[in-house]
Amino acid sequence: ELKVEQNPLFLSMQEGKNYTIYCNYSTTSDRLYWYRQDPGKSLESLFVLLSNGAVKQEGRLMASLDTKARLSTLHITAAVHDLSATYFCAVVYGSGNTGKLIFGQGTTLQVKP
Amino acid sequence: GAGVSQTPSNKVTEKGKYVELRCDPISGHTALYWYRQSLGQGPEFLIYFQGTGAADDSGLPNDRFFAVRPEGSVSTLKIQRTERGDSAVYLCASSLNPNQPQHFGDGTRLSIL
Repeated sequence: ELKVEQNPLFLSMQEGKNYTIYCNYSTTSDRLYWYRQDPGKSLESLFVLLSNGAVKQEGRLMASLDTKARLSTLHITAAVHDLSATYFCAVVYGSGNTGKLIFGQGTTLQVKP
Repeated sequence: GAGVSQTPSNKVTEKGKYVELRCDPISGHTALYWYRQSLGQGPEFLIYFQGTGAADDSGLPNDRFFAVRPEGSVSTLKIQRTERGDSAVYLCASSLNPNQPQHFGDGTRLSIL
């Protein structure tokens, strides 16, 4: 069975600093997603990564994928308060092309002024 | 534009009661998913519909849980003889097809007293 693990689970950082969130998964998958969730809100899709070496960037966030290591990273550059949220990675799992997602536990990011 | 709509947003009921949770997906999305999110955790897959049929119900925890999508659009998740452990946020998501990103609704927060 596929397991998805994120670390750290909680991250408190100062504005302007850089940091990386890690997502490891246990079996082969052809797609990995990063989502953002604000408290009491739904999940917002940030990135989809499809192939080994894929890198995507949006503003201060950059996601990458290493399928051989079964590792994805979400890098935050010069953090701002608006980035405070919980970030989830999710991996597509299973045969039959169902799109079924297995989520990590989430990383709660708190950016302090 | 219209996103995934879930009703009710909150539901409080007593142990042993029957509940129905509704999901109205984005128009034209053939794939529909239900997930359950407990406090401090990532969403857990429950069931996937392609059109009217449940293509993967492997995440339903037991036979008290059932879901339908009779006309291939709106879906209803039904829980019989509710237990306190069923308390969670139930999320619905839809996508154009299983290979596309899933768009999530705001969820129904279910509390079993």
